[in-house]
Amino acid sequence: SQQGEEDPQALSIQEGENATMNCSYKTSINNLQWYRQNSGRGLVHLILIRSNEREKHSGRLRVTLDTSKKSSSLLITASRAADTASYFCATAPGGTSYGKLTFGQGTILTVHP
Amino acid sequence: EPEVTQTPSHQVTQMGQEVILRCVPISNHLYFYWYRQILGQKVEFLVSFYNNEISEKSEIFDDQFSVERPDGSNFTLKIRSTKLEDSAMYFCASARQGVTEAFFGQGTRLTVV
Repeated sequence: SQQGEEDPQALSIQEGENATMNCSYKTSINNLQWYRQNSGRGLVHLILIRSNEREKHSGRLRVTLDTSKKSSSLLITASRAADTASYFCATAPGGTSYGKLTFGQGTILTVHP
Repeated sequence: EPEVTQTPSHQVTQMGQEVILRCVPISNHLYFYWYRQILGQKVEFLVSFYNNEISEKSEIFDDQFSVERPDGSNFTLKIRSTKLEDSAMYFCASARQGVTEAFFGQGTRLTVV
């Protein structure tokens, strides 16, 4: 498998429910970032978690990072129809880095009103 | 709020033609990137640019591709002789530092016919 693999590939929930997406990676990282992409649009940065952090919150978003398992999860609480989008994790490598990001395949989230 | 802007939003070109995709990164950012996303696939890194030179490039970024920062604000991607397989959404991104969050533009959809 490749760096930054998300699961599930698709997630369908009702408004108000929580959505959890997972990401696994293979090599050492400096940080891991989550992005949202609405259909056919640009990537919107959601949150960045550094390799020495375990958990981070931003509004309704909660990200965890387990470097021993090389995995991360993104939790969106109290989802809204407007959260419908594709969500990608992206890893920035450890060591000297110019910020190259390696993206996963993404999770397509559908929130039904 | 500062944003990365890309022009044009859509470009249709004939195979073999040269195209230039333009980007205006966020003004105080120092790291610049191009990524592409073929329809239905993951976002792929093409090239990073720092201190007026290419800092890293992927296997995709062959001799047909070049980047330039001709003045203090624009950042361009040139494809010399387009192929059908170059059809994709091309994203420009910029970051303040190499290990901080990257901000993406809305993308240029390139269609090669």
